[in-house]
This record gives sequence, structure tokens and C-alpha cells, in this order.
Amino acid sequence: DQQVKQNSPSLSVQEGRISILNCDYTNSMFDYFLWYKKYPAEGPTFLISISSIKDKNEDGRFTVFLNKSAKHLSLHIVPSQPGDSAVYFCAAKRGTYKYIFGTGTRLKVLA
Amino acid sequence: DTEVTQTPKHLVMGMTNKKSLKCEQHMGHRAMYWYKQKAKKPPELMFVYSYEKLSINESVPSRFSPECPNSSLLNLHLHALQPEDSALYLCASSQGRSNQPQHFGDGTRLSIL
Repeated sequence: DQQVKQNSPSLSVQEGRISILNCDYTNSMFDYFLWYKKYPAEGPTFLISISSIKDKNEDGRFTVFLNKSAKHLSLHIVPSQPGDSAVYFCAAKRGTYKYIFGTGTRLKVLA
Repeated sequence: DTEVTQTPKHLVMGMTNKKSLKCEQHMGHRAMYWYKQKAKKPPELMFVYSYEKLSINESVPSRFSPECPNSSLLNLHLHALQPEDSALYLCASSQGRSNQPQHFGDGTRLSIL
């Protein structure tokens, strides 16, 4: 029972263009959502988060959008850079400590 | 540089061995987590310690035994593991208050022979 899903296993984008990564969830009890980036041989690195009471949060080149009615969130990266090439995980929190991760999307930014 | 340090980075052990994984953070975080990650899968929560007390055990087999000696340290004791336990084991910490991100270590790559 995968409560958090990332339906695109991979995505390729040209340098300078927008990258859009998507995430869907099924549990309406999730109250906090996060995006992590993971390079090979490293642990996930926190990128940006959003509370369920908001619909948008922005931090530099990264913006997260939350559509609660559709149970969907997305991460926009503008402009995309080659160093952004990594695996991106979305995660959702239920309660104080229970974080559920999506399956990940491998982003490749082409120079 | 990661602020959550895990040792060792790699571990190979036999099914009858006893070993421990260690995790340390000095960010003053009061919640610490163990995750297991298999190849091409998301991290799966195993245990959560909050203020040095076990808060969540996700029905993990008893051959995995967590320990939190103090607010900065988290151990995972391993005994009689199976080959299917081979995975990346990730430690994370967070402030312990709601809606705070987790900070992850780089993990221990565990192989069971």
C-alpha cells in the first residue's frame, strides 16, 4: 500500500529550463510535505517543505505547490542546473514523527 | 558535510555475527530515526526515538535492536540477520517538534553473507 507515489521514475530537462516533479498521496491525514534530493552514496538532503495549510512555498529556485483537493504536490526548479541531477523524493508526515517517502524520480539536467 | 554522522560506512557480516551501527548528531535534535532502504525503493521507517524514548517501532523483527544512550547518539544492534536484511541503513534526526524536516546521515551499506 504505497501512500505516497511518484509516478515518473525519471525525467530529463535541458539546462536553464523548468523541471517539474510530481507526487501524489492517498492519506488525507498527512499534514506536512517535504522534498529531498539524493546523490549516489549520500543520504537524502532536505530541500523544501510545505504545511498542509498552505498551497505554495518558495525558496530560491525551488517552489513547492500543494493541491489538497487533488492530493497532489509538485516541485518546480527554475532554472534547472546540471548540479540538480539527482534522485528526488517527496515525503509526507502523519502525526509527529511518521514520515512516508515516495519512490523517487531521477532527474537528469542536460547541459 | 552532513551533520548526522553514521559509522561504519560499509559493513559485511555473516548471519551469526553481532554488530552495531552508530549514529551521532550535535544539532540538539530530540528525535532520531532509523530507516532501511533497498535498491530503487524509498526509505522505510524502522524506529523513532523521541526525547530518548522509543516512540515508534514499525513491527521490525527482534534481530534489530535499537538503543538511544543519550540525545546525541543512536545505535542499531544487529544479531542473526538474514540475507534479505542487506540494505542501506539511514539515520536521521529532527527537532522533535511538529513540522520540522529530518536531516539524514549518509547511511551504512550493510551486506549479509
